[in-house]
Amino acid sequence: EAGVTQFPSHSVIEKGQTVTLRCDPISGHDNLYWYRRVMGKEIKFLLHFVKESKQDESGMPNNRFLAERTGGTYSTLKVQPAELEDSGVYFCASSRLGSNNEQFFGPGTRLTVL
Amino acid sequence: QQQVKQSPQSLIVQKGGISIINCAYENTAFDYFPWYQQFPGKGPALLIAIRPDVSEKKEGRFTISFNKSAKQFSLHIMDSQPGDSATYFCAASLGAGNMLTFGGGTRLMVKP
Repeated sequence: EAGVTQFPSHSVIEKGQTVTLRCDPISGHDNLYWYRRVMGKEIKFLLHFVKESKQDESGMPNNRFLAERTGGTYSTLKVQPAELEDSGVYFCASSRLGSNNEQFFGPGTRLTVL
Repeated sequence: QQQVKQSPQSLIVQKGGISIINCAYENTAFDYFPWYQQFPGKGPALLIAIRPDVSEKKEGRFTISFNKSAKQFSLHIMDSQPGDSATYFCAASLGAGNMLTFGGGTRLMVKP
């Protein structure tokens, strides 16, 4: 079974630019989560999809962040326009509906905003 | 307000020793407490998890101890090996399928 994949692995952009991160969950996993770890801090929740619906987006920092999961498969997270404080590692995780909440994480996308 | 506090931030242990990482939580409604292990360049991987109806869970060299009254839980790594050198995160969640609230992480180095 293939794991959670994320693209790109690294992204370096300038302040004000737009970046789109992609996550492909494990096949059959209806739950999809985005998390972010800013340098030296804890991993923080951003949002949770169940299939194509946003179940919880309480962790989204502001309206510069837009997440989509059209068709309930892969998800994208767009940051527009990027700010310096958006730098960090963005993780995607997935899990089966009705599971014991075991979430499988992808390798992350390291975003650097200059 | 950090709901899950993890200590220490870093830990150095000799090969064969016991590594102990502690976490404290605030929300008494949390009902799932996993530990994740992360190697450089990889995502966090579930190591072991516990629910509050048990006080201890052991899987191989890894043990979670859970103290519900103190709102604390800890990870013990017995016979620590250099291959255990990684960053460890505790976490907590409320209900199946819900978000994980993470501690700040502990960088463990096991010296040969």
